Amino acid sequence: EDQVTQSPEALRLQEGESSSLNCSYTVSGLRGLFWYRQDPGKGPEFLFTLYSAGEEKEKERLKATLTKKESFLHITAPKPEDSATYLCAVQATTGNQFYFGTGTSLTVIP
Amino acid sequence: NAGVTQTPKFQVLKTGQSMTLQCAQDMNHEYMSWYRQDPGMGLRLIHYSVGAGITDQGEVPNGYNVSRSTTEDFPLRLLSAAPSQTSVYFCASSFLGGEAFFGQGTRLTVV
Repeated sequence: EDQVTQSPEALRLQEGESSSLNCSYTVSGLRGLFWYRQDPGKGPEFLFTLYSAGEEKEKERLKATLTKKESFLHITAPKPEDSATYLCAVQATTGNQFYFGTGTSLTVIP
Repeated sequence: NAGVTQTPKFQVLKTGQSMTLQCAQDMNHEYMSWYRQDPGMGLRLIHYSVGAGITDQGEVPNGYNVSRSTTEDFPLRLLSAAPSQTSVYFCASSFLGGEAFFGQGTRLTVV
């Protein structure tokens, strides 16, 4: 069964304190792994897609990496505006559905 | 581009009432889907469609119907609302194999 597990559930960081969010996945064949950001009261907003182990993507203070079993979202020198819930999802080669994790709620304190 | 548009944004229903949540996209995406989001449970797939005239069930389909008569529209119907259907509902669309784009959500309360 395709599954996605994210950790930690919640993370509080001081402004400038770098850290990483984890997304572990089990999928029959990986078509893609997706990272989203969700602000309160809004729909998820796409950040990155990773397709194969070893791939990395960067956007401002965020960097996503992928291995055969997990993905990390590294946040470097975060700012309060990075506070949000970060969602991870996988799509298997056998279908078109996305399987989402429950997310990591990030709070960055000024 | 409007992207994915959901209406309404908020709705309160009485138990047993029916209603339709509207979803429209203007990106010519083949794949459209409906999710519900509940605290601690993440996004769960209700129904999805890979093209006009084709729909299929997701993880939690009971109590919901969908149809896809055009590429642009994918309405979700609640047949007889129950308190357990209180949730935030999201519509999403994508090209097959591509990233999903989400609407702003509909917050539904069933009393």
